[in-house]
Amino acid sequence: ILNVEQSPQSLHVQEGDSTNFTCSFPSSNFYALHWYRWETAKSPEALFVMTLNGDEKKKGRISATLNTKEGYSYLYIKGSQPEDSATYLCALCGGATNKLIFGTGTLLAVQP
Amino acid sequence: DAGITQSPRYKITETGRQVTLMCHQTWSHSYMFWYRQDLGHGLRLIYYSAAADITDKGEVPDGYVVSRSKTENFPLTLESATRSQTSVYFCASSAQVANTGELFFGEGSRLTVL
Repeated sequence: ILNVEQSPQSLHVQEGDSTNFTCSFPSSNFYALHWYRWETAKSPEALFVMTLNGDEKKKGRISATLNTKEGYSYLYIKGSQPEDSATYLCALCGGATNKLIFGTGTLLAVQP
Repeated sequence: DAGITQSPRYKITETGRQVTLMCHQTWSHSYMFWYRQDLGHGLRLIYYSAAADITDKGEVPDGYVVSRSKTENFPLTLESATRSQTSVYFCASSAQVANTGELFFGEGSRLTVL
């Protein structure tokens, strides 16, 4: 069973603050790590798909890093804006089964 | 419009009834997935499929049946609905092997079992 853990569960920040979340996963049989952004009443949308140890990806003010040897990924948001408020999910593809298992997410609320 | 669509979007049923949730994608993606969303659990994988006629269990498959006779469709059936199956169900699809490709999600189907 793949155990994907995210922390913190929720986070409240002020507009302009930078923040980061953690996704932890078993490092054996790693294939890929996904990050998704999930706004209330919408469907999750992909932010990043990361496959290589040391990968760093960036999209605007959001970036992510990956350490497959120690089994974690960080998602960073620079200068948070109210529109960044959402649940951020990570998901692991471990092994050749092609299953994609999600963590429970980090709920971010950005106060104007 | 092209994309991934789920139907029905909302369904109320009674305990013991059979319910089928439909999922259709127009991209010819090989991989399709069914997840359920519950408070405190995030998204949990019910079943997934790597191609037509190939399906496999996810984390919480009990009480569900899937089929994939055509690449574009991946229906999820609750053979005898229970109250614990009240949830929001999301279908998703992906193009690439071993999930190096992102998932595209449908809009969700909210199911209430009375």
